[in-house]
Amino acid sequence: EIVMTQSPATLSVSPGERATLSCRASQSVSSNLAWYQQKPGQAPRLVIYGASTRATGIPARFSGSGSGTEFTLTISSLQSEDFAVYYCQHYHNLPPSFGQGTRLEIK
Amino acid sequence: EVQLLESGGGLIQPGGSLRLSCAASGFSFSSYAMSWVRQAPGKGLEWVSAISGSGGGTYYADSVKGRFTISRDNSKNTVYLQMNSLRAEDTAVYYCALMITFPLIDYWGQGTLVTVSS
Repeated sequence: EIVMTQSPATLSVSPGERATLSCRASQSVSSNLAWYQQKPGQAPRLVIYGASTRATGIPARFSGSGSGTEFTLTISSLQSEDFAVYYCQHYHNLPPSFGQGTRLEIK
Repeated sequence: EVQLLESGGGLIQPGGSLRLSCAASGFSFSSYAMSWVRQAPGKGLEWVSAISGSGGGTYYADSVKGRFTISRDNSKNTVYLQMNSLRAEDTAVYYCALMITFPLIDYWGQGTLVTVSS
């Protein structure tokens, strides 16, 4: 099973600033990497797939990069609605495992 | 618009059984794989199971293999998760999910809570 590791566990950023979240895979997952956003009491929502493609309805301030084992989610100018927990997940094979999440909180 | 509506959660004693259902709408149900993902209280996400569009392929996490069974009824646009021999560690919100490009999860339902406790 491929293990996904996210860092940091918690990231404190002020509104309007840039946030950078990291995700590492224990072996190559090519570009088969997704990012999900989850707000309290809600289901996760797909943000990025294919490591860098924004899902439908996701604002352009969200961008993803990386391939192989190292990936990054960048939110260029944080809005109030962006503060949430973000999970990376590989879908290179089964099981499609998740990282433990990064909590993005208001500084 | 894709809609996934889970039902069947509740409180169940250890060793008991429960069947979750997920009613889908807004897409060609039989064309796509479906999945279940769970989230223990205050914890992260764990993929549980998936089933192909035809139902001919089923896949399970090691943690539930032999205890859980996924199935679907394409005439009813519904996917099921039969959970047997439930344990306290199965306590979680169970999300139904649509996999348009298997095994990427594109859409999620709102979840149903399963609590395993005596």
